[in-house]
Amino acid sequence: GAVVSQHPSWVICKSGTSVKIECRSLDFQATTMFWYRQFPKQSLMLMATSNEGSKATYEQGVEKDKFLINHASLTLSTLTVTSAHPEDSSFYICSARGPDSNQPQHFGDGTRLSIL
Amino acid sequence: QQPVQSPQAVILREGEDAVINCSSSKALYSVHWYRQKHGEAPVFLMILLKGGEQKGHDKISASFNEKKQQSSLYLTASQLSYSGTYFCGTASGAQKLVFGQGTRLTINP
Repeated sequence: GAVVSQHPSWVICKSGTSVKIECRSLDFQATTMFWYRQFPKQSLMLMATSNEGSKATYEQGVEKDKFLINHASLTLSTLTVTSAHPEDSSFYICSARGPDSNQPQHFGDGTRLSIL
Repeated sequence: QQPVQSPQAVILREGEDAVINCSSSKALYSVHWYRQKHGEAPVFLMILLKGGEQKGHDKISASFNEKKQQSSLYLTASQLSYSGTYFCGTASGAQKLVFGQGTRLTINP
């Protein structure tokens, strides 16, 4: 099956630090990647959608200058949380899909971000 | 608009059946079902694309009632490994999915 790798699995850092999370599709070309945020016992909240080579489309209420997304190749997308603060602590999950919107999304294992 | 899942939580004994429903206030293009275990990534179960479509593998199946804008996931003769939170994701034409709030399924021996 399709494999999506997400790194790091967890990160703890001080307030004000910028953190980069990588999402890689290992065995297929990810035309579209999605970034989600999930709070404990809650649903997956879409932050942004990125298509390879294009600017990401952010959901309402998500600060694009705070959460920088780059999707420079068909196998890699990155999310950078800039100047992170404790309220940014959360579980961030990426997913990747091929060019057809009827294809399933394949999720990475997620990154648990803790800002002290 | 977030689809509504029901019930919010289910507790079963191994071998019992369960039904999880997913309803939307908008016309649906497709419905995706995922299962997520605690601390892990969601795992894809199946996609339903057409009204009236039914799909299944092993003892997990799903139906999509396009007119009613809803889908149901059926788990028969549940196994311990079925435990987790089930999410439906709905698409209304755009490429993104909107996920329901999840249904927590607990299977006891």
